[in-house]
Amino acid sequence: ETGVTQTPRHLVMGMTNKKSLKCEQHLGHNAMYWYKQSAKKPLELMFVYNFKEQTENNSVPSRFSPECPNSSHLFLHLHTLQPEDSALYLCASSQDLRGNYGYTFGSGTRLTVV
Amino acid sequence: AQSVTQPDIHITVSEGASLELRCNYSYGATPYLFWYVQSPGQGLQLLLKYFSGDTLVQGIKGFEAEFKRSQSSFNLRKPSVHWSDAAEYFCAVGAGEYGNKLVFGAGTILRVKS
Repeated sequence: ETGVTQTPRHLVMGMTNKKSLKCEQHLGHNAMYWYKQSAKKPLELMFVYNFKEQTENNSVPSRFSPECPNSSHLFLHLHTLQPEDSALYLCASSQDLRGNYGYTFGSGTRLTVV
Repeated sequence: AQSVTQPDIHITVSEGASLELRCNYSYGATPYLFWYVQSPGQGLQLLLKYFSGDTLVQGIKGFEAEFKRSQSSFNLRKPSVHWSDAAEYFCAVGAGEYGNKLVFGAGTILRVKS
């Protein structure tokens, strides 16, 4: 399979739960990103990884914990979330940190916190 | 800080009519500029990008965009809209040291009437 794959597509979790979002890319890219897309708000960059190293944390609360074990996989570990964290979480990848490549996005995980 | 403005939240056009979606950006240097499209429940797909050279860029699905530095604009156009073009369209500028951190506009929802 090619492209960027995100699992699960939908997730409902309680505020006391712990869950993880998974992102996998088969494009040979070296940079990976997490974005949050909330209703009526622009997409917000959360984290950037380059060659498995985190290069950006955009003031994201610690209840979101990213993990990048290799250049092909990216996780977002979730714990004690709030209802306002309900959103579409999008993973993206790019060849590297040079901006002229643009991103390839996954289809996202629709998260609902109850 | 870099920013992107998409003045139109919703646009409705008739099938077969021409389309122009507006995008204005704020950025000090020569920007990397992108247009993405998002269908309901899906991730974002890259339509086209500009980072240097010819200011009129061609993209997929018959779209084009023109970079106008004097107006800080990067408007998206299509000469004849198809019903399948109904979606949400996002303009983005590459921010950060490498231009890889995309800053998105709020999006324009395109409706196509038959």
